[in-house]
Amino acid sequence: GQNIDQPTEMTATEGAIVQINCTYQTSGFNGLFWYQQHAGEAPTFLSYNVLDGLEEKGRFSSFLSRSKGYSYLLLKELQMKDSASYLCAVRDSNYQLIWGAGTKLIIKP
Amino acid sequence: IAGITQAPTSQILAAGRRMTLRCTQDMRHNAMYWYRQDLGLGLRLIHYSNTAGTTGKGEVPDGYSVSRANTDDFPLTLASAVPSQTSVYFCASSDVAGGGLDEQFFGPGTRLTVL
Repeated sequence: GQNIDQPTEMTATEGAIVQINCTYQTSGFNGLFWYQQHAGEAPTFLSYNVLDGLEEKGRFSSFLSRSKGYSYLLLKELQMKDSASYLCAVRDSNYQLIWGAGTKLIIKP
Repeated sequence: IAGITQAPTSQILAAGRRMTLRCTQDMRHNAMYWYRQDLGLGLRLIHYSNTAGTTGKGEVPDGYSVSRANTDDFPLTLASAVPSQTSVYFCASSDVAGGGLDEQFFGPGTRLTVL
C-alpha cells in the first residue's frame, strides 16, 4: 500500500527553527509537495521537490532524498503566523497526489 | 471570480437526501479534483478529471459522482447521503494533468454534516 508518515504535532518557539519530517512509500514517484493549511482554510502550495537536494524559498526550505523515501520542511525565523498544519504529498505513478495526515505546528511566544 | 469557488460554504443534510457540491474555477486549468478531509487523515481523492469530458475514480469514490461538461465546472453529487460522508470537501485544480510542477490550487472548502 501507499503510505505517507509525518509527526502529528510539533511545538516550537517564535524566532527559532523547526524541521518537519516526512517519509513515504508509494507506487512510483513523480515529485513531492509541501502545503500549508491554516485552521479552517484551504491548503496552499509551499514547495516542490523532484530531484534530491535542498530547495530554498525565503524562510522555508525543503529537502528530498528519493533513495531514503524522505523529505523535510525547514522553517526558519518562526513567526506566530506560521502556526498551521503542514501537509506532505507525493505524486505517484498515476500522477495522483497521496497525502500525509499533516503536522500541526504550534508556535509559542 | 478569482481562483476556485465552492458552494455552499457549509450544509447540514438529512441522511438519504441528494446533494450537489459546486465547484468553479476561472484559471482555465485542465485538471480538477475533489477531496475529502477528515480529522487525523490525509486528504483523500474522491474523483478527478484530467480534461473536460473525462472523469476518473480516486481512492474513495463510492457514494459520489461527478461530471465535467466544461473546463470551469466540476460538481460533486452525493446521490443518497450517509453520516459517514460528513467531512470537509475541497475542490482543486491544476494546469496540466501530469508532469512538471503541476501544483494544485484549492477552493475554500465545503463543510458537510449528514445527520
